[in-house]
Amino acid sequence: DAKTTQPPSMDCAEGRAANLPCNHSTISGNEYVYWYRQIHSQGPQYIIHGLKNNETNEMASLIITEDRKSSTLILPHATLRDTAVYYCIVRASISNTGNQFYFGTGTSLTVIP
Amino acid sequence: KAGVTQTPRYLIKTRGQQVTLSCSPISGHRSVSWYQQTPGQGLQFLFEYFSETQRNKGNFPGRFSGRQFSNSRSEMNVSTLELGDSALYLCASSLDGTDNQPQHFGDGTRLSIL
Repeated sequence: DAKTTQPPSMDCAEGRAANLPCNHSTISGNEYVYWYRQIHSQGPQYIIHGLKNNETNEMASLIITEDRKSSTLILPHATLRDTAVYYCIVRASISNTGNQFYFGTGTSLTVIP
Repeated sequence: KAGVTQTPRYLIKTRGQQVTLSCSPISGHRSVSWYQQTPGQGLQFLFEYFSETQRNKGNFPGRFSGRQFSNSRSEMNVSTLELGDSALYLCASSLDGTDNQPQHFGDGTRLSIL
């Protein structure tokens, strides 16, 4: 299973873009990159995922490098409610026998007023 | 559309007891996965069920078991509870558990062992 590396913590000013990096240098060609976030005492919340192309939804944008060895999650206008632990995950697929998520330690993002 | 529902939200047990946790997935989702979250080990995968069959299993002792019913609802059971089993237990569901399907998590059951 491909492992991910994220900075343990980051700060971002309210209203500015938050750019959260993730390194996944051992990713396989058919593995997706997923991003989740977790606010204290709640379950992880799905944000976005992608394979090769950049993706955007109402919450965030995902930029994946051409060699797929790293990605960046972008929250365009961070608010205080975006303060959370953000997890970058490479989906470990085991053919038709199901798959699972391997969660690392994530990045603790603090949005500062 | 209702999200993943886990019951109960909080539970207190003593060592040696057993416990059953329940998970109702999002309507139409057939894959249910369970995770354990502790401050020391983070989020760890327990097992996944699809169509009432355990399809994948993490590295946990046999005291941890689960099952899935025909309506996709799932339960997990922990027998002979130990202090180290104190954790937040999370359930996640997806349509069919394939790569391109995100898992959606409930808010968990917080289990405390005295």
